Amino acid sequence: QKEVEQDPGPLSVPEGAIVSLNCTYSNSAFQYFMWYRQYSRKGPELLMYTYSSGNKEDGRFTAQVDKSSKYISLFIRDSQPSDSATYLCAMGRPQGAQKLVFGQGTRLTINP
Amino acid sequence: DTAVSQTPKYLVTQMGNDKSIKCEQNLGHDTMYWYKQDSKKFLKIMFSYNNKELIINETVPNRFSPKSPDKAHLNLHINSLELGDSAVYFCASSAGAGGNTGELFFGEGSRLTVL
Repeated sequence: QKEVEQDPGPLSVPEGAIVSLNCTYSNSAFQYFMWYRQYSRKGPELLMYTYSSGNKEDGRFTAQVDKSSKYISLFIRDSQPSDSATYLCAMGRPQGAQKLVFGQGTRLTINP
Repeated sequence: DTAVSQTPKYLVTQMGNDKSIKCEQNLGHDTMYWYKQDSKKFLKIMFSYNNKELIINETVPNRFSPKSPDKAHLNLHINSLELGDSAVYFCASSAGAGGNTGELFFGEGSRLTVL
């Protein structure tokens, strides 16, 4: 079993839709939960960061962490074509950034 | 001004050849990494250096040899290339090995194709 599982998609939705992206994990030592966005032919860039359980909102993006279920989500409201990218969840242990484990990434397309 | 830059962006080479990828960061970070992203988009850490010292060496064939001449540079040399080495190699940096923000700054990747 992989430490982090993420549905690779692809996921295609119309502009303006609410998008839900999810990851599950098996290692209860993970304390840091992140979402990276990767545009085609580019490197990943940090989108959202959450420590432990709870919600975090940033504009149209909301990250949720449920440690009891070992499940994290990213919601995108009022999705735009510019949100079309691959979204990778990533998780870290208390030792810090170098222990990040990434999900496979979900390829998302927002259709105008 | 690019924060993490890596060269070359594309390499196409024959099996058995040796190739190098160079990386430089101008963010003043202490820690640099090499990640490999395969065709299914799995991103896996290969190596990490903190202030020129190797701190992570995942299960990577010893044909791969990283070198960090200073904390702003991290190069990757690959000997005797194999078909399975075809992937995108990303360099990344972060502020300190013990930093807990989880924010990695990635380069644009070097796409290696082995024929």
